[in-house]
Amino acid sequence: QSALTQPRSVSGSPGQSVTVSCTGTSSDFTDYSYVSWYQQHPGKAPKLIIFEATKRPSGVPGRFSGSKSGNTASLTISGLQAEDEADYFCCSYAGTNTLIVFGGGTKVTVL
Amino acid sequence: EVQLLESGGGLVRPGGSLSLSCVVSGLTFSDYAMTWVRQAPGGGLEWLSTINNSGRTTYYPDSVKGRFTISRDNSRNTLYLQINNLRVEDTAVYYCATGSGDFGAWGQGTLVTVSS
Repeated sequence: QSALTQPRSVSGSPGQSVTVSCTGTSSDFTDYSYVSWYQQHPGKAPKLIIFEATKRPSGVPGRFSGSKSGNTASLTISGLQAEDEADYFCCSYAGTNTLIVFGGGTKVTVL
Repeated sequence: EVQLLESGGGLVRPGGSLSLSCVVSGLTFSDYAMTWVRQAPGGGLEWLSTINNSGRTTYYPDSVKGRFTISRDNSRNTLYLQINNLRVEDTAVYYCATGSGDFGAWGQGTLVTVSS
């Protein structure tokens, strides 16, 4: 099972909005209920920021939002802040055979 | 506060074996499926294995099936990953995480280096 496809990098100035896409096949996104997004700062463990495609865990700022359309899931960061500079990974439940597949990751740079 | 603490990483020769542990606190361990994920240096995240809350059902990608074995001891709040016939390409930070479809809590990771 190939990884979900994400852009290698995305950048924006403070206060701007950026969107990270995550594209797969119909088999990758078997159940959109299990599309999730993770933020990872250098040297740290990943942190869940979006689950079930659009939901935010308690404590995650409202500027992070998730959406889905067809075979693409997206993460939008509105009002970009310096601390949002990190790597972001998408993840999907891909069925009972492979179960879980991750995207290759996107580096978000705050200019 | 939920905490996950991995241990057992280190330097191993190719062909060797390793057993990783993950001790979980701050939640009712036996209520949660658990997962192992790894990250090669400078690389992305790779799903390795998931085990259901009772330990009776396990899942692996084809890439590690037969070499990796996940298990758990609910009486000790501990998750395990046995890795056999280690390869240079297994060099990575290994993370344990709660859940099976999305992963709400992660450990800090344990580094496994496979080198001769």
